[in-house]
Amino acid sequence: QQQVKQSPQSLIVQKGGISIINCAYENTAFDYFPWYQQFPGKGPALLIAIRPDVSEKKEGRFTISFNKSAKQFSLHIMDSQPGDSATYFCAACGSTGFQKLVFGTGTRLLVSP
Amino acid sequence: DAGVIQSPRHEVTEMGQEVTLRCKPISGHNSLFWYRQTMMRGLELLIYFNNNVPIDDSGMPEDRFSAKMPNASFSTLKIQPSEPRDSAVYFCASSRHNSGNTIYFGEGSWLTVV
Repeated sequence: QQQVKQSPQSLIVQKGGISIINCAYENTAFDYFPWYQQFPGKGPALLIAIRPDVSEKKEGRFTISFNKSAKQFSLHIMDSQPGDSATYFCAACGSTGFQKLVFGTGTRLLVSP
Repeated sequence: DAGVIQSPRHEVTEMGQEVTLRCKPISGHNSLFWYRQTMMRGLELLIYFNNNVPIDDSGMPEDRFSAKMPNASFSTLKIQPSEPRDSAVYFCASSRHNSGNTIYFGEGSWLTVV
């Protein structure tokens, strides 16, 4: 019940295209859903996050779509650029007790020029 | 502000040796996390501390692993004795304790046990 399932494992998108990464969770107590971006040789860094009181959050070219009833959320990268090539992790946690993020398995995105 | 600082960045050691990884969290953060990242298992939470107290160490793989946080600005993760299967990137991260607060990761300690 603590798992966050992420797909696809890897993704190749042409420059200018839309990258879509999906995640699903089981634990209905989760109420915070961040996405982390990791470049080779670096630690993961927060990209964008959403709470279940909204169905969508947009920051620049990055959008999270959230479907509470389906317990699914996704990251959309519009106008994908080669500089977006990185590994993306979805994550989730609840608000009771101490914060403990559960991470998805990661998606390696390659944006071809 | 300085981010989470980890040392060493790279460590190559022989099987059986003791390894100590160090972490300085962001000043003012009261939660500290140790993660391990491998290709096979992804990002695994090993242990986390709140106000220097270990809260959940259920992710620590076995007794060879231990972690301490003697004060708010320093933590160590020790592996003794090390084994080749411990080869991974170990990340330290910190946050202000509150659900929804951003966890900030260090750049990792790349450990190779030969």
